[in-house]
Amino acid sequence: GAGVSQSPRYKVAKRGQDVALRCDPISGHVSLFWYQQALGQGPEFLTYFQNEAQLDKSGLPSDRFFAERPEGSVSTLKIQRTQQEDSAVYLCASSKRPKNEKLFFGSGTQLSVL
Amino acid sequence: SQQGEEDPQALSIQEGENATMNCSYKTSINNLQWYRQNSGRGLVHLILIRSNEREKHSGRLRVTLDTSKKSSSLLITASRAADTASYFCATASENAGGTSYGKLTFGQGTILTVHP
Repeated sequence: GAGVSQSPRYKVAKRGQDVALRCDPISGHVSLFWYQQALGQGPEFLTYFQNEAQLDKSGLPSDRFFAERPEGSVSTLKIQRTQQEDSAVYLCASSKRPKNEKLFFGSGTQLSVL
Repeated sequence: SQQGEEDPQALSIQEGENATMNCSYKTSINNLQWYRQNSGRGLVHLILIRSNEREKHSGRLRVTLDTSKKSSSLLITASRAADTASYFCATASENAGGTSYGKLTFGQGTILTVHP
């Protein structure tokens, strides 16, 4: 596609529910990142994929967070047993190569946990 | 955790004026980037400056980098109402072993409001 696509755009979950957030990166982009952005803050790194390999998951806040990219394209971020503190915008970004260069961001999924 | 701080947190100016935002960071970097975020949208890349560069221009944007002070500034000249957005600096550091895959660490952002 023309850009990074994320779905759903908005997600409301009851505390304790599991959620799955989808990211469709730009076709052919090797690198894929997930970021979490709390209200009024800058994005914080969650995890990084190079093709299908998850090379860095140091930013995942707990073992309730899980991400995958099984075929090296679409990625899913799953949050189990959601808590109120998980409420945030989840941003996906991709780049063409695993080098220092600009990232292309999706519009994000705004997650609200009630 | 956030890499550093941006200053000011909020900036309000009139159309046609220049806007200057500053960013400080803590660790050695490979490059520093600036992004813009309109309300409710994703981030859009504006400009990238490498650690061996001191100044870079792109249209109405001018970025400076001072690695000795671990700081950068973004200047937007002749601002327009459409420039109203949040602006973030982001740094890419070298991983241990000298490799890097482009992980960015963002600042807290500056909210710019340009009044018509």
